[in-house]
Amino acid sequence: RKEVEQDPGPFNVPEGATVAFNCTYSNSASQSFFWYRQDCRKEPKLLMSVYSSGNEDGRFTAQLNRASQYISLLIRDSKLSDSATYLCAVNSYNTDKLIFGTGTRLQVFP
Amino acid sequence: GAGVSQSPSNKVTEKGKDVELRCDPISGHTALYWYRQSLGQGLEFLIYFQGNSAPDKSGLPSDRFSAERTGGSVSTLTIQRTQQEDSAVYLCASGAGVGETQYFGPGTRLLVL
Repeated sequence: RKEVEQDPGPFNVPEGATVAFNCTYSNSASQSFFWYRQDCRKEPKLLMSVYSSGNEDGRFTAQLNRASQYISLLIRDSKLSDSATYLCAVNSYNTDKLIFGTGTRLQVFP
Repeated sequence: GAGVSQSPSNKVTEKGKDVELRCDPISGHTALYWYRQSLGQGLEFLIYFQGNSAPDKSGLPSDRFSAERTGGSVSTLTIQRTQQEDSAVYLCASGAGVGETQYFGPGTRLLVL
């Protein structure tokens, strides 16, 4: 089993839709959680850190469920420009490396 | 301010040759990370530096891979006797410290023929 798993998608949604991605992690010692966005042939860019209490940034909401060991990303009112691959990343207290999921591809259509 | 920079942006080499990839982290960032991403795959951790030391090099695929960091700044990833399976995008990231957000450079696309 991979340490961090994501549904690869693609998720094809119309503009204005709400879409949610989940990411599960296997290491219960994980301490820090992130969502990155990666456009085609570009480097990953940080979208949001994920905090225990959940956090929101405009149309984006991130949640952490420690009991079930998953993080989620909710995108409301999808825009064409949201089309990208969304990577979740997890690290643990005893190592600073990030373990990435393979990413979930989102395609927003007009 | 300036982000993470990497050079070269693209590198084509012949099997068996050595290559060096360079990373310039964000000024003041003490942590530096190397990852690689193969076509259609997720990011794979290779090694990270805290200052000039490498507490975790567990992701280096073989002894053909090595990395160093000098002056707490620039890092070089060296691949000796390249193989076709080394073809990938090599990404460098830097962070202000342990557990802090990691910011990625644009990557070096390596193609081994």
